[in-house]
Amino acid sequence: EDKVVQSPLSLVVHEGDTVTLNCSYEVTNFRSLLWYKQEKKAPTFLFMLTSSGIEKKSGRLSSILDKKELFSILNITATQTGDSAIYLCAVFQGGSEKLVFGKGTKLTVNP
Amino acid sequence: GAVVSQHPSWVICKSGTSVKIECRSLDFQATTMFWYRQFPKQSLMLMATSNEGSKATYEQGVEKDKFLINHASLTLSTLTVTSAHPEDSSFYICSARTSANTGELFFGEGSRLTVL
Repeated sequence: EDKVVQSPLSLVVHEGDTVTLNCSYEVTNFRSLLWYKQEKKAPTFLFMLTSSGIEKKSGRLSSILDKKELFSILNITATQTGDSAIYLCAVFQGGSEKLVFGKGTKLTVNP
Repeated sequence: GAVVSQHPSWVICKSGTSVKIECRSLDFQATTMFWYRQFPKQSLMLMATSNEGSKATYEQGVEKDKFLINHASLTLSTLTVTSAHPEDSSFYICSARTSANTGELFFGEGSRLTVL
């Protein structure tokens, strides 16, 4: 059965801390891995990763994929209260052309 | 990035009525759109895949007669919840793909349905 597992499920930190969110997957016909940030409404796109070992960066956020070990991490440095959200990891599956979502990591950044 | 508009953003209806939710890709053509349902504190659950000009493909356990999906054009897909009941109350989200090969999706803002 295809699955995407995120850890931890929830995380509480203080402003300025650095956090690492984990995503492991077992999905047939892997095409790409995507990270989304969900606040009150629908998810917003963060990164798409297709190749191993190539870090993608956007400001304080960065992500990398390991296709051999079947996982990805999302790093957030110097966290701010505005980073509080649910972070979703999803794997795009070729063939069925679907996204398989993990349950998400709820990040709370306290001032 | 690409913009997907979803309407209405929230709706309250009486039990037994039908509700239609629209999903539009505003600045690109979307041959494929997806409909998700999200329960509180849970991840997105794919309901169906909507392809322009053809019947939607429903996930296991999703009633196709209950959740009617129409993808009449390359920029519009609709989800109609027929004979809604309180257990259908949920957050419904659509997404559209900009390219068939990359998997990158853009999401609508979601529609909160409350059935009284």
